[in-house]
Amino acid sequence: GDSVTQMEGPVTLSEEAFLTINCTYTATGYPSLFWYVQYPGEGLQLLLKATKADDKGSNKGFEATYRKETTSFHLEKGSVQVSDSAVYFCAPRPGGFKTIFGAGTRLFVKA
Amino acid sequence: ETGVTQSPTHLIKTRGQQVTLRCSSQSGHNTVSWYQQALGQGPQFIFQYYREEENGRGNFPPRFSGLQFPNYSSELNVNALELDDSALYLCASSLDTDISSGANVLTFGAGSRLTVL
Repeated sequence: GDSVTQMEGPVTLSEEAFLTINCTYTATGYPSLFWYVQYPGEGLQLLLKATKADDKGSNKGFEATYRKETTSFHLEKGSVQVSDSAVYFCAPRPGGFKTIFGAGTRLFVKA
Repeated sequence: ETGVTQSPTHLIKTRGQQVTLRCSSQSGHNTVSWYQQALGQGPQFIFQYYREEENGRGNFPPRFSGLQFPNYSSELNVNALELDDSALYLCASSLDTDISSGANVLTFGAGSRLTVL
């Protein structure tokens, strides 16, 4: 069945460090791929998305590239800030009705 | 535009009771999905409603049921509550012109936190 695996957390970084959160998925067909973020005390919100192979989604300095050959959608940011502290969810949507969420990766950024 | 609103925000029930959670979708959205998020876990898909019909269902027993109304708002009902039903229940709406398309973004509410004692 469809599934997603993302890097376990928590991840603790110093401000201005480089961030990578790995995500791989198993899905039939060609899913759309999303990263959602949950800031402390807030609901889930879309961070970025990519809908076809080799697309790059980007937002707020975060980027992720749809890699069909490796079924991956790793999240990266060149220089994290304290305000990026949150839980990040990789979420493929294989088409049809269901978006699948990973377990989430908690990021702590220290000043 | 208004976002997704859920009620109640918190509630406490005892085993065996029934609960109804409510969701108003974002203005202009026609599809509602419900998710269960246990503490420290990712959201698990319960079901989705499109055009007032259940469009798909996750691995949840029949005591989890729902409705969608003509104004696209929705309810989640859980009967015979169990301790393991304690979780954050998330409603998400989207605009689906083609339900088979995977490109549609979910807009989430803040959730209803259910505690079963």
